Amino acid sequence: EPEVTQTPSHQVTQMGQEVILRCVPISNHLYFYWYRQILGQKVEFLVSFYNNEISEKSEIFDDQFSVERPDGSNFTLKIRSTKLEDSAMYFCASSGFGIYGYTFGSGTRLTVV
Amino acid sequence: SQQGEEDPQALSIQEGENATMNCSYKTSINNLQWYRQNSGRGLVHLILIRSNEREKHSGRLRVTLDTSKKSSSLLITASRAADTASYFCATAPSSGTYKYIFGTGTRLKVLA
Repeated sequence: EPEVTQTPSHQVTQMGQEVILRCVPISNHLYFYWYRQILGQKVEFLVSFYNNEISEKSEIFDDQFSVERPDGSNFTLKIRSTKLEDSAMYFCASSGFGIYGYTFGSGTRLTVV
Repeated sequence: SQQGEEDPQALSIQEGENATMNCSYKTSINNLQWYRQNSGRGLVHLILIRSNEREKHSGRLRVTLDTSKKSSSLLITASRAADTASYFCATAPSSGTYKYIFGTGTRLKVLA
């Protein structure tokens, strides 16, 4: 079964550093998403991306965050200057058309120290 | 209350018993999914139920959906210690967005 792949599985970074989380969506999918889950809390939507632009974003997704599809296979989330409160599990997802075939990756645990 | 709220927040049962978790939501939906998450790990997709479906089964899992009450339930029959995890419902609103809205989760503990 096709999978969404996220790397790395765990990343530790110093406060103030830039971090890039990487995702390889399912190959024929057109919609891409990032979600965040702070430890012990619920999964929250960050951003959706379609046709090389952001289609929707939450209030969490401020100027510190950006997304990019640098080539035909990767989808990245960049946090420019990490804060302690950015420590969370970040999930990438992709879908074929709209919500059909919506599939989540296994997540990257980001720890900011 | 928020879109996608589960109850109970925590549930502790003996191995072999059935576990029932409920999810309520506010807006009309296209579909609803249930996920399992072991502590600190990724989301494991369990089952998807569409808004025109009332019940689905998958192995020991049974999901019901009542769109008139805006609620869903997940039943795990003959529970095992390995079922110990957090369970989340996630709703896809029927219009205007392609994001899923997750509930707060039910922490299930199955005692051997």
